[in-house]
This record gives sequence, structure tokens and C-alpha cells, in this order.
Amino acid sequence: GEDVEQSLFLSVREGDSSVINCTYTDSSSTYLYWYKQEPGAGLQLLTYIFSNMDMKQDQRLTVLLNKKDKHLSLRIADTQTGDSAIYFCAESIDNSWGKFQFGAGTQVVVTP
Amino acid sequence: GAVVSQHPSWVICKSGTSVKIECRSLDFQATTMFWYRQFPKQSLMLMATSNEGSKATYEQGVEKDKFLINHASLTLSTLTVTSAHPEDSSFYICSANGGGHEQYFGPGTRLTVT
Repeated sequence: GEDVEQSLFLSVREGDSSVINCTYTDSSSTYLYWYKQEPGAGLQLLTYIFSNMDMKQDQRLTVLLNKKDKHLSLRIADTQTGDSAIYFCAESIDNSWGKFQFGAGTQVVVTP
Repeated sequence: GAVVSQHPSWVICKSGTSVKIECRSLDFQATTMFWYRQFPKQSLMLMATSNEGSKATYEQGVEKDKFLINHASLTLSTLTVTSAHPEDSSFYICSANGGGHEQYFGPGTRLTVT
């Protein structure tokens, strides 16, 4: 099985908050990431969090990290139709820049 | 922002032939690039680390003779799928490190082997 797990689908109404959850297994990961994938485009880094942090906020994005439970979440406030995409959770491997273990991705569909 | 391109975006080849996929960093130099493989509704699986001027490092279970990687310059890495078979059909994605957390991903190449 995969080392990083995510739910596969999330439907949310425009203007509501979205919460995407992720669990990981490698407690030695120094950084954890959230990437966004839109059709025809490369993965785009949304945000990352250092493993000794509990929370990080960046405009509409809030990342929560529960290191004890190895649980990571991404909250998108005031979700817009442009937020419809696949969101990947990833943990760094071997503390190497750019070397990731990805989750399967959560398809987020924003409805009007 | 930095851009990574892949060529071709989609390729169809016959079983037994080889196909080359290019990954280019367009406005920055990358000593290290990574190749991933993505199956439908599944995660990206790291295949190998491409190092400029030296041999690639392959992840466990990835056949180095099947997936040849060449990183001949600071802006180009190529992945050649040799003697392709239908089970090699997949979405191949490369990424390049622009420094620290800045990892830039290409749009991917869809390979279909008939």
C-alpha cells in the first residue's frame, strides 16, 4: 500500500471551506507539502510545512500538522471554482530537495 | 515563474519500439531532475533521480536498462523507454529543482503502447 494516503474525492460549494486530509507514515520527513494539479499543467506547489510546526497559514490556505498522528490537512477558505483541481499531499524522502512520496491525490470539485 | 517543459505531451508507439521523452528547464539550470510515473487515480511514483553529468539513481524495482535516463546538460534530461510494452503505458512526469523548496514539475507525457 501507499505510504501517503488521501481520500480520493471532495465536493464543495463555492464560498465554503474545503478540508483535504492526508496521513503519512515516515516520521522522519522534514517537510510536508501540498501540490495542486490542473489539467494540462505541471504540479504547482501550494504550500509546505516544516515538521516541527503545528500550523501554517498563507492567505486562504491553512495547513495543520499533527505529528503524533502523522496527519496533515489543508484547509482552503472561501473556495472558488478555480480551486477545482487534484490536490496532492507529499512528504520529502531522504531529506532530499525535490524527492517526494506522494499521496494518490484528492479530486476537489467546486460547485456553484 | 520557472517553467519545465516536456516533449512530447502525448506519444503512441508500437510494442517493442523505444520512445524518448525530453524534460527541459526553460529558464533555470537544474543539476538534479526527477522522473515520476503516474497511473490513473494513483499517486506519482518516483522512478529515478537524474544527475547532470553522472549516472541516474533508480528507485527500487525500477529497471535501469528499461528506463534509460540521460542528463547531458543543466537544462535537459531525457527518459527513454526501451522495448516498450503495453504495461509501460502511463503518464510520465519530470521535475527539476530550482533551489530549496522550489520544485518545478513538467506537464507530463502520456505514453500509450499498442
